[in-house]
Amino acid sequence: GAVVSQHPSWVICKSGTSVKIECRSLDFQATTMFWYRQFPKQSLMLMATSNEGSKATYEQGVEKDKFLINHASLTLSTLTVTSAHPEDSSFYICSARTFGRGGGGSYGYTFGSGTRLTVV
Amino acid sequence: QQQVKQSPQSLIVQKGGISIINCAYENTAFDYFPWYQQFPGKGPALLIAIRPDVSEKKEGRFTISFNKSAKQFSLHIMDSQPGDSATYFCAASIFGTASKLTFGTGTRLQVTL
Repeated sequence: GAVVSQHPSWVICKSGTSVKIECRSLDFQATTMFWYRQFPKQSLMLMATSNEGSKATYEQGVEKDKFLINHASLTLSTLTVTSAHPEDSSFYICSARTFGRGGGGSYGYTFGSGTRLTVV
Repeated sequence: QQQVKQSPQSLIVQKGGISIINCAYENTAFDYFPWYQQFPGKGPALLIAIRPDVSEKKEGRFTISFNKSAKQFSLHIMDSQPGDSATYFCAASIFGTASKLTFGTGTRLQVTL
């Protein structure tokens, strides 16, 4: 099945520094990647949608300059949290849309394992 | 409206019992309804999904019941086990190049011995 590999699984950084999170589709080409943020005991909140080779589309209220998303290839999308602050501490998850082998419009979504970011 | 409402917020079930989680949606254009299981510190994993052309889908101990007219769908976990203790999310999406998942608020399931 489709696998999305997300790294790192956890990271601690100092306030004011930048952190990059990578998501790779291992056995398929991910033309569309979604980035989510999840606070403890809450649901996933979509931050942005990225399409390979084009600019990401950010959800309302998400700072584009703070959360830089790059989707330069069909197998790699990255999220960079710039000038991180303690309030950026959260669980970040990527997801790729996958299409069924049977065609006919069947599709699904595969999630990475998540990255726990702690800003101190 | 893109909202998906999920209930209950938390659920405690005895081992061997049936766990039932319900979701309701508003947008009739949704055509894909998955359920995800998430363990602490992990990303969501697909459990089972259904399209609106069927009313029920079963995979092992997991069953989705879908009521198109009521705009509701539910997850039934038969013979619940302690290993099923996790957070469950329902979701919905519309097929298309810009489709994105709309998630429910989640249900924390605890299966006791």
